Amino acid sequence: QQQVKQSPQSLIVQKGGIPIINCAYENTAFDYFPWYQQFPGKGPALLIAIRPDVSEKKEGRFTISFNKSAKQFSLHIMDSQPGDSATYFCAASKSRAAGNKLTFGGGTRVLVKP
Amino acid sequence: DSGVTQTPKHLITATGQRVTLRCSPRSGDLSVYWYQQSLDQGLQFLIQYYNGEERAKGNILERFSAQQFPDLHSELNLSSLELGDSALYFCASSGTSGRINEQFFGPGTRLTVL
Repeated sequence: QQQVKQSPQSLIVQKGGIPIINCAYENTAFDYFPWYQQFPGKGPALLIAIRPDVSEKKEGRFTISFNKSAKQFSLHIMDSQPGDSATYFCAASKSRAAGNKLTFGGGTRVLVKP
Repeated sequence: DSGVTQTPKHLITATGQRVTLRCSPRSGDLSVYWYQQSLDQGLQFLIQYYNGEERAKGNILERFSAQQFPDLHSELNLSSLELGDSALYFCASSGTSGRINEQFFGPGTRLTVL
């Protein structure tokens, strides 16, 4: 059962473009939604995270938009750079559960062309 | 650098063998999580320990086991290895208060079973 669905699987944009990655979740008990960036051969690195009581959060060039009623959230990368080329994962967890494991989406491979 | 360390970086072994993967969490973090990343299954949660006690279990095979020691480092033991166990294994850690949900990942151990 895939509880977090992520799309698209891959994305190519020109430098300066705005890649948008979308995620949808099923479990309404999820209350913490982080995004991770992973470069080849490295571990996932926490980029930015949001909780359902906020509709948007910005950190640098990364913005999360959150739609609680639709159970969807998305990542926008503003003014994308070739160095942003990586795989991005959305995730969700239940922060108040005994174990706050992360449930990950399938990942989106982003390529930013110079 | 997340502050989470994992050893070894690479491991090549044969079917039927047993291996141990080691993880040291960030200084002060009491929670340790293990995740498996494979091409077909993506990032999957295996198990979580908190201050030496098992906190949550995911889709971890019976052939796999883990523990967290008094110094908070953790080990993941994989036995009777099969070809399908070839994957990247990540350890993550999180803090005790405030930002308890932020999980920081180590660089991973790439396991190849031949």
